[in-house]
Amino acid sequence: DAGVTQSPTHLIKTRGQQVTLRCSPKSGHDTVSWYQQALGQGPQFIFQYYEEEERQRGNFPDRFSGHQFPNYSSELNVNALLLGDSALYLCASSSLLRTSGLNQETQYFGPGTRLLVL
Amino acid sequence: DAKTTQPPSMDCAEGRAANLPCNHSTISGNEYVYWYRQIHSQGPQYIIHGLKNNETNEMASLIITEDRKSSTLILPHATLRDTAVYYCIVRALNSGGSNYKLTFGKGTLLTVNP
Repeated sequence: DAGVTQSPTHLIKTRGQQVTLRCSPKSGHDTVSWYQQALGQGPQFIFQYYEEEERQRGNFPDRFSGHQFPNYSSELNVNALLLGDSALYLCASSSLLRTSGLNQETQYFGPGTRLLVL
Repeated sequence: DAKTTQPPSMDCAEGRAANLPCNHSTISGNEYVYWYRQIHSQGPQYIIHGLKNNETNEMASLIITEDRKSSTLILPHATLRDTAVYYCIVRALNSGGSNYKLTFGKGTLLTVNP
């Protein structure tokens, strides 16, 4: 058990609606990353939040937005849902370590939220 | 990040060692090799990572060749619960720490047979 929790576990929405997914990081972690995993594909990086700011963003449209709270938990918001947004949404938490002059950051994933858009 | 190549699938008998290869011939000096696995419909699970020395933990061993162009993940005594997709990822955080994403390929589907 990695200690990362996500809610809800499953969600059904219709096209055009908006959705909010939630993530609580593992104890001691200050960074949250979000990934989208379509059926049969590997996870794709959406963005990462650190110190309540988006630190890096993948190739996703502005309909995908996020937020990080002072307690390090995070939300992923998706507006104007499309059928193609149906996927498993994964949250990963981490903290940056510096070892032997190099930065390391191991991401630990939660169980995911499965979103179905009809 | 360097690209990785893994076989699409492998089989292993229960109780035997599973050796999963990964080729990363374009790896650079500051890139780590990470291994994750994903059991059907669950979130990816971190297994192990290394830079150039071999690493071992309670889950697996990671053997990295001396030229660092390939690596092997070893599950010493595979069980049915080890059936999963295994991802090899090569990644560096540069000095400014501005590349935080994990880039997943298609991975290797390991099937452990009774």
